[in-house]
Amino acid sequence: EVQVVESGGGLVQPGGSLRLSCAASGFTFRSFWMSWVRQVPGKGLEWVANINEDGSEKYYVDSVKGRFTISRDNAKSSLSLQVNSLRAEDTAVYYCARETWGYFDSWGRGTLVTVSS
Amino acid sequence: SYELTQPLSVSVALGQTARLTCERNNIGNYNVHWYQQRSGQAPVLVIYRDNNRPSGIPERFSGSNSGNTASLTISRAQAGDEADYYCQVWHSTTLVVFGGGTKLTVL
Repeated sequence: EVQVVESGGGLVQPGGSLRLSCAASGFTFRSFWMSWVRQVPGKGLEWVANINEDGSEKYYVDSVKGRFTISRDNAKSSLSLQVNSLRAEDTAVYYCARETWGYFDSWGRGTLVTVSS
Repeated sequence: SYELTQPLSVSVALGQTARLTCERNNIGNYNVHWYQQRSGQAPVLVIYRDNNRPSGIPERFSGSNSGNTASLTISRAQAGDEADYYCQVWHSTTLVVFGGGTKLTVL
């Protein structure tokens, strides 16, 4: 069974940092693009970043460029998102999702990041 | 920026057919994907590449895409279909784009 499980969220002050992690299982992790998608509570979905199979290509939504960094460890079947210089508007549930030909066929349950003083 | 327009809410009577739309100029030129998100849960892919159902998604869910409108049709609506539904495309400049979502209410 394909499974992705996020962790690492929490309460952080504005300007702070967190490292979000996603543990994947049930599929050949190194063969898939992976993405982070976030959702402000009560609002819609927003794609944040993705990374190709070997980590050589990374793309970000404009609002997080220079502050967030996506990475992966294929040996450990894990995906990460380093989030720095956090702002109140980054408060959201962050989902890890497997990407296939431009769509997301498996999602985790998400991890909540709250940016507040 | 590339935006997809979805109605905020759609209501359907139990057992009837709901049609949810996703609009953008020439959206028919793109592959459109649809996600269901029940309250408090993660999104689930229900239609990919316009009209394909992943395994485990009932045949009651179907999709179409032409011109300026993509549609998700839910036949014989059930109480369990009540959820938020999001359309999504991959666009060459903005990459991944989601619509704002439609809340489906089953009456």
